[in-house]
Amino acid sequence: NAGVTQTPKFRILKIGQSMTLQCTQDMNHNYMYWYRQDPGMGLKLIYYSVGAGITDKGEVPNGYNVSRSTTEDFPLRLELAAPSQTSVYFCASTPALYQPQHFGDGTRLSIL
Amino acid sequence: AQSVTQLDSHVSVSEGTPVLLRCNYSSSYSPSLFWYVQHPNKGLQLLLKYTSAATLVKGINGFEAEFKKSETSFHLTKPSAHMSDAAEYFCARTGNQFYFGTGTSLTVIP
Repeated sequence: NAGVTQTPKFRILKIGQSMTLQCTQDMNHNYMYWYRQDPGMGLKLIYYSVGAGITDKGEVPNGYNVSRSTTEDFPLRLELAAPSQTSVYFCASTPALYQPQHFGDGTRLSIL
Repeated sequence: AQSVTQLDSHVSVSEGTPVLLRCNYSSSYSPSLFWYVQHPNKGLQLLLKYTSAATLVKGINGFEAEFKKSETSFHLTKPSAHMSDAAEYFCARTGNQFYFGTGTSLTVIP
């Protein structure tokens, strides 16, 4: 039972570099989410998707982009990494809005 | 307006004593409510959920929560804390999005 899989688990980037955080789920969930978690700040929604081909901004979308070409995959892209994007990133999915979200184990990203 | 408020950022209990983690929500209707637990370097794991059935909800690892509409609360309890319960706990509710509280860090003292 893979659930939600995030790769990589850890990454260090230099300022200005770009990278893609991968997220895939094998539960055929329509809804997928990207959050960032900073110490003592809880979870902040970056982007979400209600199905393949449909994405929308969350609370903190600046500096990030997403795509959703398939039901399974929801990658998050950082184009020009900045120190403020140092965080732990979580991907989640759910079959419906009133159902609980299933989380990956996170990607720990440091930008130096 | 804050949709979910966790009233304590840190809670410390002794092993074997009861746990109470408090959560209030704001909503004009009865939302679906959830408690999640996050252990260090892990993602969030669902403890329990309320979806307008019984107001007292039982979850995993001996946790339960009671939905009180009159108080707009969904507090998490456990009769006897175990060392393995030490973690971060998040209350959440549904709406047009998923709203999380800012978390409560539970410390269990041996």
